Amino acid sequence: QVQLVESGGGVVQPGRSLTLSCAASGFTFSNFGMHWVRQAPGKGLEWVAGISYGDINKYYADSVEGRFTISRDTSTNMMYLQMDSVRPEDTAVYYCAKDEARNSDFPIGFYYWGQGALVTVTS
Amino acid sequence: DLQLTQSPSFLSASVGDRVTITCRASQGINNYLAWYQQKPGKVPKLLIYAASPVQSRGPSRFTGSGSGTKFTLTISSLQPEDSATYYCQLLNTNPPYTFGQGTKLEI
Repeated sequence: QVQLVESGGGVVQPGRSLTLSCAASGFTFSNFGMHWVRQAPGKGLEWVAGISYGDINKYYADSVEGRFTISRDTSTNMMYLQMDSVRPEDTAVYYCAKDEARNSDFPIGFYYWGQGALVTVTS
Repeated sequence: DLQLTQSPSFLSASVGDRVTITCRASQGINNYLAWYQQKPGKVPKLLIYAASPVQSRGPSRFTGSGSGTKFTLTISSLQPEDSATYYCQLLNTNPPYTFGQGTKLEI
């Protein structure tokens, strides 16, 4: 069955870097768009970044554009979120999520989610 | 960027009630809206796909409808386990894939 497992969370100082990983299994990884969604403590969901099937496109929220980089390695079924120049407002649980649309330019819904990785940005 | 505004922010209802949560977009978005349910300490659960026609991924008592700038999630007969926060999300179009701010439903 589909499984998504995040890792790499932790405490990081403002201005530093951190890389999150998402290990995917149970589906043909390259055929689906993948996304990162975060949730600050006690707050709502915020879409952060996405990568389309076949890695054709990469998308970012304005709040992280230029600081975060999404990527994936289809040979190892891993997705990454490189977080540079982190800020206290980046503190959140980061979820990786799989879109339901196969070989689609646009996502239609995230049914499978990982359990999340907590990132805390503090000095 | 397009904005999604959910209403109400908080809703209290009883078992068996029919409730409606609204998501308004700052511009027309066709049927490009998904709906999620999130319980405390749990990951979000997809209820409705952003597709046309609307497709459900959740129990049949959850239905999504709407077009243009106004969309609704209706729960036809509330169950105790429906207590959660509900989010709409813009999808099936160009990013960003914005979420609404959420509606907390108390049973």
